[in-house]
Amino acid sequence: KQEVTQIPAALSVPEGENLVLNCSFTDSAIYNLQWFRQDPGKGLTSLLLIQSSQREQTSGRLNASLDKSSGRSTLYIAASQPGDSATYLCAALYGAGANSKLTFGKGITLSVRP
Amino acid sequence: EPEVTQTPSHQVTQMGQEVILRCVPISNHLYFYWYRQILGQKVEFLVSFYNNEISEKSEIFDDQFSVERPDGSNFTLKIRSTKLEDSAMYFCASSEDGIRNQPQHFGDGTRLSIL
Repeated sequence: KQEVTQIPAALSVPEGENLVLNCSFTDSAIYNLQWFRQDPGKGLTSLLLIQSSQREQTSGRLNASLDKSSGRSTLYIAASQPGDSATYLCAALYGAGANSKLTFGKGITLSVRP
Repeated sequence: EPEVTQTPSHQVTQMGQEVILRCVPISNHLYFYWYRQILGQKVEFLVSFYNNEISEKSEIFDDQFSVERPDGSNFTLKIRSTKLEDSAMYFCASSEDGIRNQPQHFGDGTRLSIL
């Protein structure tokens, strides 16, 4: 069964800290991995997508890495700010074309203290 | 930037009633999806839709659920006879194509509350 796990469920850090959010997946036959941000009661905002052939992607203060062989991805947030407080979800894409679907982790709720 | 839009944002329905959730995917996208998130749980895949037919569905997507693309812009999810356990946030998503470098774009969701 394809499972995506994110541990810990919650994280609280002081402003300015660099941090790493972890994601692991059981089936390495992914096509890509997406990181999303979810604010309370809101939808999912796509942050980064890493294709299965890539090792990392960067956008501003965010850097995501992918290690397919070990079934792991990390989201690195540099110089965290209170506005980064949200739940961060990773999702692995399985299947191709019309049969593709995302399998989500439960998310890590991040709180950045001023 | 183009967005996926969903209506209504919140729907309250009596158990046993039919409900239709509506989505307008991004205009040049070809693949459409519904996911749901029960409060406190993971986002779960329900169904994918391409070329006017269901491509794949999960075990959650039973005979009570159906999807339709009634015109060139809307994509709907219908629940025929709602149950209490259908209460969840329902997300619509679309992607330009199904290959690996195209992200799925999500709407803000419809919160469905079954009484």
